[in-house]
Amino acid sequence: NAGVTQTPKFRILKIGQSMTLQCTQDMNHNYMYWYRQDPGMGLKLIYYSVGAGITDKGEVPNGYNVSRSTTEDFPLRLELAAPSQTSVYFCASSAIQATYNSPLHFGNGTRLTVT
Amino acid sequence: TQLLEQSPQFLSIQEGENLTVYCNSSSVFSSLQWYRQEPGEGPVLLVTVVTGGEVKKLKRLTFQFGDARKDSSLHITAAQPGDTGLYLCAGAAGSTLGRLYFGRGTQLTVWP
Repeated sequence: NAGVTQTPKFRILKIGQSMTLQCTQDMNHNYMYWYRQDPGMGLKLIYYSVGAGITDKGEVPNGYNVSRSTTEDFPLRLELAAPSQTSVYFCASSAIQATYNSPLHFGNGTRLTVT
Repeated sequence: TQLLEQSPQFLSIQEGENLTVYCNSSSVFSSLQWYRQEPGEGPVLLVTVVTGGEVKKLKRLTFQFGDARKDSSLHITAAQPGDTGLYLCAGAAGSTLGRLYFGRGTQLTVWP
């Protein structure tokens, strides 16, 4: 029972490099989310998707892009990495809207350092 | 701007003590969720409260949603080392599709 799987677990990038954080879920959830977690700051929503082909911005979308070509996968793209993007990134999914009492199922995160 | 304010930010107590964590806002939420996160893992849902004044118990944990649905509290009775972790509250604000607003979290450490 895998749930939400994120890869890689750790990554170090140089300023200006690009990378894609992978996220896949096997629960057939329509809703998927990307959050970043900075120390003492809680979780901030970057992007979310309500189904394949539909994405929308969250609170902190600048510097990121997403796509949702399948129900299972929701990759997050960083085009020009900046030190401000050093963070722990969490992917999550939910069966219905998280606002309708549907719990978020989180992956175990990707720790990204940009130097 | 932080929509949900959690306090305290850090809590370090001895096994057997009781504690309360608070989650406050000036906004009204349609529901509020509490998560616990352990190092190197994602948050895991503990409970969802929906109705103003609602109280839910999960073994030694008691969750309460304020009457006006602007605040919530988590009370732990006779804390154990296994309760150690980061506790996060998250509120669903009206019809903002898909958006849960998270507090900054309370880092709880329970010493044996």
